[in-house]
Amino acid sequence: DAKTTQPPSMDCAEGRAANLPCNHSTISGNEYVYWYRQIHSQGPQYIIHGLKNNETNEMASLIITEDRKSSTLILPHATLRDTAVYYCIVRGGLDSWGKLQFGAGTQVVVTP
Amino acid sequence: DADVTQTPRNRITKTGKRIMLECSQTKGHDRMYWYRQDPGLGLRLIYYSFDVKDINKGEISDGYSVSRQAQAKFSLSLESAIPNQTALYFCATSDSTGSQPQHFGDGTRLSIL
Repeated sequence: DAKTTQPPSMDCAEGRAANLPCNHSTISGNEYVYWYRQIHSQGPQYIIHGLKNNETNEMASLIITEDRKSSTLILPHATLRDTAVYYCIVRGGLDSWGKLQFGAGTQVVVTP
Repeated sequence: DADVTQTPRNRITKTGKRIMLECSQTKGHDRMYWYRQDPGLGLRLIYYSFDVKDINKGEISDGYSVSRQAQAKFSLSLESAIPNQTALYFCATSDSTGSQPQHFGDGTRLSIL
């Protein structure tokens, strides 16, 4: 599975959009980009995933560059409850045996 | 994720004791996983099961065993607990089709004295 690089931390003002970058320059053609977050000591929470196209759901949007070497998770209106560690993970789809490789992630702090 | 339930939520026990952590799910997923998380570290995969008859070791299976009693239940056992197995344990499930993401329980905090 491809390795990902994320900034260790970032701050965001409540009500503003939070844009979380992720680099995955060695991603291969059948690998998906997944985003999870973990609020202190709780179970990781799935946010969104995509292959090539941009994706949006009720929680966030995922923007993947055309060359697929990087992506951005967008939380459109950050709230205090969005304070968490955010993980960008790249892994294969149907052929993958399912292991999620969690790196260090980005610690996001949303401030009033 | 209320669809994935782990019991107990917290457990303190002594070295040498046998411990079982249980996981049940109502998502109807075929695949289930056990991870552990240590402070400051990411999650590491202990065991995973693609269906009731298929169980596989993960990257840190030594000292652990599992049982897939049914599609909805996957238990993790520590046969003889040791202090360095003190950690946060998570169960996860996923569908077996395509790129389906894993969904996690709220974890079991295990302390071994």
